[in-house]
Amino acid sequence: GESVGLHLPTLSVQEGDNSIINCAYSNSASDYFIWYKQESGKGPQFIIDIRSNMDKRQGQRVTVLLNKTVKHLSLQIAATQPGDSAVYFCAEKIQGAQKLVFGQGTRLTINP
Amino acid sequence: GAGVSQSPRYKVAKRGQDVALRCDPISGHVSLFWYQQALGQGPEFLTYFQNEAQLDKSGLPSDRFFAERPEGSVSTLKIQRTQQEDSAVYLCASSLRQVSNQPQHFGDGTRLSIL
Repeated sequence: GESVGLHLPTLSVQEGDNSIINCAYSNSASDYFIWYKQESGKGPQFIIDIRSNMDKRQGQRVTVLLNKTVKHLSLQIAATQPGDSAVYFCAEKIQGAQKLVFGQGTRLTINP
Repeated sequence: GAGVSQSPRYKVAKRGQDVALRCDPISGHVSLFWYQQALGQGPEFLTYFQNEAQLDKSGLPSDRFFAERPEGSVSTLKIQRTQQEDSAVYLCASSLRQVSNQPQHFGDGTRLSIL
């Protein structure tokens, strides 16, 4: 398949610290990127998106950075809270197509 | 609620049985997608509808998988002669329109277990 992730990377942070989750995407023709949060037993929940003509976008407590030169996407979560514990996926959409291709998920755990 | 609704939430079937999974997209959403998510992995694309037209079915793993959206709203994913490798979570997503980049909003999925 196009997505990988048999061994899910884990990021552990202290409550109140900032979290940075990284993602390498695969296709230079991708024009749209989304970050999703997935809690156990639930579907992916939209967090923030960014188009390829931007390099930064901010939401409430979250920032997405896009570096097209090295095909890298990151999600920054400010003042991480226990409710932020989940698996985070980046997804890319190739220009002209509609489907999303998901990257390897990252499990975020919060230490009290 | 206002989100994507999927039913049933859980389905257990014996190998060889046929199953049907239902998706109610967000009202007014033109685009509808089906994804398959294996344990510990990200969702993988199966098929895409724009209204009632199935425009991309490149991700369907075999001809045992069939999807329809006859009136451009509710969609059904059918799997015939189920196999153990079909065990997964099947996710449905919808988005408002096709012409510009719009986020896909997901339901909570149907967890399918084939015995």
